[in-house]
Amino acid sequence: DAKTTQPPSMDCAEGRAANLPCNHSTISGNEYVYWYRQIHSQGPQYIIHGLKNNETNEMASLIITEDRKSSTLILPHATLRDTAVYYCIVRKVDKKNAGNMLTFGGGTRLMVKP
Amino acid sequence: SAVISQKPSRDICQRGTSLTIQCQVDSQVTMMFWYRQQPGQSLTLIATANQGSEATYESGFVIDKFPISRPNLTFSTLTVSNMSPEDSSIYLCSVAFTDTQYFGPGTRLTVL
Repeated sequence: DAKTTQPPSMDCAEGRAANLPCNHSTISGNEYVYWYRQIHSQGPQYIIHGLKNNETNEMASLIITEDRKSSTLILPHATLRDTAVYYCIVRKVDKKNAGNMLTFGGGTRLMVKP
Repeated sequence: SAVISQKPSRDICQRGTSLTIQCQVDSQVTMMFWYRQQPGQSLTLIATANQGSEATYESGFVIDKFPISRPNLTFSTLTVSNMSPEDSSIYLCSVAFTDTQYFGPGTRLTVL
């Protein structure tokens, strides 16, 4: 799976949008971008994933650049409970590799401040 | 999504003993995974456990130290054998469900 690069830490004011960048310049055509977060002492929580189109769900939006070499996770109105480590992971998903395990990097530690 | 539970949620163990961690899923899944998260670190995959076959271990992890059972499509166990303080970590069960992977709440192990 392609390697990702994320800033080690970021701050965000409560109520503002949190924009978390991820670089995956070696991504290949059949690799998806996944985002997870881990709140202190809990298991990682799935947030969103996408291939090339922008995606939105009740938790966040995922913006993937046209060349797919980078992406941004957007939490539109960050709250104190969004303080967590956010992991960007690139992973193959096809019929053969549907169960390929996730490989975690260091992630971005997001601190939402009042 | 899949809902995953783990037992115990935490334990404190003595050096040289073994602990078995249980993972229960609310749906039938083919692939289950066990991860370790050492203090202040990211997650590291220990092994992949498919029902009906032996677990596949990642480099640096061996069956004698981390034996895994996978008796059916909703359950797995991981045993941490002959524990030392270096085994103090959070151990996480994970499953592949549709095209996404879901995680249990983790088991926090402290070895004295």
